[in-house]
Amino acid sequence: QVQLQESGPGLVKPSETLSLTCAVSGGSIGSGGYSWSWIRQPPGKGLEWIGSISSSRSTYYKSSLESRVAILVDTSKNQFSLKVISVTAADTAMYYCGSGAPGRGDYWGQGTLVTVSS
Amino acid sequence: YVLTQPPSVSVAPGQTARITCGGNNIGTKSVHWYQQRPGQAPVLVVYDDSDRPSGIPERFSGSNSGNTATLTISGVEAGDEADYYCQLWGTSSDLNWVFGGGTNLAVL
Repeated sequence: QVQLQESGPGLVKPSETLSLTCAVSGGSIGSGGYSWSWIRQPPGKGLEWIGSISSSRSTYYKSSLESRVAILVDTSKNQFSLKVISVTAADTAMYYCGSGAPGRGDYWGQGTLVTVSS
Repeated sequence: YVLTQPPSVSVAPGQTARITCGGNNIGTKSVHWYQQRPGQAPVLVVYDDSDRPSGIPERFSGSNSGNTATLTISGVEAGDEADYYCQLWGTSSDLNWVFGGGTNLAVL
């Protein structure tokens, strides 16, 4: 069974770049059929999809975030990453990585809280 | 595309809870459901309208028709108290995920 673990800074200053990594175990990120996603949840609010990358390395992003986000895969380290540029307080959230069949989250990481504050 | 869920549903232990997810012609799309207990990551409990991942009790079931998808939890237990989210993928020409606003299930 695939297991996911997010890591990255818990505090980011406004206007800077948020960078998170999701380590994959129990499966190979290079194998086909899976997609790899990032989802976030502001404190006390619902889930918001950020974007996904497919096994063919095609990327799909929420339209309102597309100009600021990037998802990359590193097959040598069996991990994928999220970068969000020019962050504001509105980017403060619990960030989850997920994977599974295209279009859904069969497996989720435990989440990592990122606070944007000076 | 908007998915509409009731903010809260209450049910007594042992009864049946039904959580709805409304959307335009949602019956033509595949809907997934997640359970999120307080302080925990979401867990997939139903996928493709009515299939259950391994390890999910048979008490969890789903249906989808017309403009409403429904998650049904039979014989509700105290441990089912959580937020539940519906989600679908691929509306019109894009491959975005869309989440409903979530429903808090309270077990009285």
